[in-house]
Amino acid sequence: RKEVEQDPGPFNVPEGATVAFNCTYSNSASQSFFWYRQDCRKEPKLLMSVYSSGNEDGRFTAQLNRASQYISLLIRDSKLSDSATYLCVVNNDNYGQNFVFGPGTRLSVLP
Amino acid sequence: EAGVTQSPTHLIKTRGQQATLRCSPISGHTSVYWYQQALGLGLQFLLWYDEGEERNRGNFPPRFSGRQFPNYSSELNVNALELEDSALYLCASSSTLRTGSQYFGPGTRLTVL
Repeated sequence: RKEVEQDPGPFNVPEGATVAFNCTYSNSASQSFFWYRQDCRKEPKLLMSVYSSGNEDGRFTAQLNRASQYISLLIRDSKLSDSATYLCVVNNDNYGQNFVFGPGTRLSVLP
Repeated sequence: EAGVTQSPTHLIKTRGQQATLRCSPISGHTSVYWYQQALGLGLQFLLWYDEGEERNRGNFPPRFSGRQFPNYSSELNVNALELEDSALYLCASSSTLRTGSQYFGPGTRLTVL
């Protein structure tokens, strides 16, 4: 089993749709969690950190369920510019910092 | 504040040659990470340096090596290049805070002919 798993996608949604991505991680000792987005042939960029209480940033909402070892990302009112690959990232922090990237879920928002 | 920088942007080598890639982290960041991303694949962790020491390495052969300098910049060296080493090599930096996230450079695209 991979350490971080994500919905394989791709997700093709119309503009204005709401879309949710799921991510599971296997290391119960994982300390911190992030969502990154990566545009085609570009570097990953931090989208948001994920906190235990859940957090929101505009149209984006992230949730963490430590008991189920599950992270989610909800995008409301999708825009064409949201088209990208979304990477779930877990920091195991066994010693210092140990980031593990999921394989990513590709989103295409269609006009 | 300047972001993570990498050089060169593109690098073309032939099989058997050596490649050297460079990375400068964000000012104040002491950790540097190297990843390989082959076309259409996810990020594969290569190496992690912190305070000049190699802290962890991924499942790559010893011909992938590197170092971190006193100013926290880093080099990735790939010896005896193989065709399958063609990929985007990404460098990221982070602070030593436990909840720190990583910030990526634009990458070096290595092509092995």
